[in-house]
Amino acid sequence: DGGITQSPKYLFRKEGQNVTLSCEQNLNHDAMYWYRQDPGQGLRLIYYSQIVNDFQKGDIAEGYSVSREKKESFPLTVTSAQKNPTAFYLCASTREGVPNQSQHFGDGTRLSIL
Amino acid sequence: ILNVEQSPQSLHVQEGDSTNFTCSFPSSNFYALHWYRWETAKSPEALFVMTLNGDEKKKGRISATLNTKEGYSYLYIKGSQPEDSATYLCAWNGSGNTGKLIFGQGTTLQVKP
Repeated sequence: DGGITQSPKYLFRKEGQNVTLSCEQNLNHDAMYWYRQDPGQGLRLIYYSQIVNDFQKGDIAEGYSVSREKKESFPLTVTSAQKNPTAFYLCASTREGVPNQSQHFGDGTRLSIL
Repeated sequence: ILNVEQSPQSLHVQEGDSTNFTCSFPSSNFYALHWYRWETAKSPEALFVMTLNGDEKKKGRISATLNTKEGYSYLYIKGSQPEDSATYLCAWNGSGNTGKLIFGQGTTLQVKP
């Protein structure tokens, strides 16, 4: 079955620590996205990538970093510079360059501070 | 500020009731309007992608309409069932081929048996 796999499901971060959230897809999609959800707010875009070795900042990129070395993988690192990292993180993918395609989502990772 | 607003924030109905939600979005630079259903402990699932003013889409008991000139979309559920309980998200694409979406905060529907 094709889909998006996010891991881990739950993650705890200590003060000053960087943590990396994994996102893997086997849908052969070019474009991948990271969103953050906070209570009472819509999903907000952190970073997105339309092609391997290229990515763009979204609306709330500060304190986060990404890489896109392989088409299937788009890991998100929450750095110590992100002062309020507690949130639910969703990864998504879609076929590149087609504005009327729905995004496919993973099950999410919930990040909390220890 | 480019904002997508959904109302109401939450809704409780009885099984068999029909209901509708609203999504408001910027009326400029319109490329597409997406609706997703997000059940608890699952990933968001695509319902509709709407691209043309006046579009109407239907999937079973769920339908949606689109008015790009005034910047709103309605989602209707006819004869709500408990399995319709979920958060319904709309998302506006004003960026074209980047696929960048701006999401509303969602409407959470609870259908009581």
